[in-house]
Amino acid sequence: DIQMTQSPSTLSASVGDRVTITCRASQSIRSWLAWYQQKPGKAPKLLIYKASSLESGVPSRFSGSESGTEFTLTISSLQPDDFATYYCQHYNSYRWTFGQGTKVEIK
Amino acid sequence: EVQLLESGGGLVQSGGSLRLSCAASGFIFRSYAMIWVRQAPGMGLEWVSAISGGGDITYYADSVKGRFTISRDNSKNTLYLQMNSLRAEDTATYYCARQDESVSWGQGTLVTVSS
Repeated sequence: DIQMTQSPSTLSASVGDRVTITCRASQSIRSWLAWYQQKPGKAPKLLIYKASSLESGVPSRFSGSESGTEFTLTISSLQPDDFATYYCQHYNSYRWTFGQGTKVEIK
Repeated sequence: EVQLLESGGGLVQSGGSLRLSCAASGFIFRSYAMIWVRQAPGMGLEWVSAISGGGDITYYADSVKGRFTISRDNSKNTLYLQMNSLRAEDTATYYCARQDESVSWGQGTLVTVSS
């Protein structure tokens, strides 16, 4: 199975900061990568699909990029509503795997 | 608009059974593979099972193989997850999802297995 290694596990940042979260796949997943934001008690919310496509309705401060098997989620200017946990997920096959999650906390 | 609505969760004793349902609308259900994902309290996301659009191909995580069965009724636009021999570690919120170029999720249903 494809393994997704996400880092960091926790990130402390301030409003207005530029934030970067990284996910590395154990093998090629050909851009089949999604990023989610999750808040306590809520379902994951899709932010980015196919590595860099912004889901409709998601603010443009969120962006995704890829370089080989390394994928990055960037929040250009962190807002109060962005403090949450973020997950990456590959869907290169029916057997999805998820990153371990990154909790973005207030510094 | 794609809508996925899970139901069937609840409290069950260890060793018991439960069947989850996921009612789909807003798309041609039979054209899409469907997925079950779960999340234990305070933990990350775990892929559970998947089924092809026609229902002829299924996949399971090792943690549920032999105990859970995924199925679908394309005439009813509904996805199922039959869960048998439930264990405390199966306690989680269960989400159904649609696989496409993008990914759509339901809001989840909570399963609690008491020991």
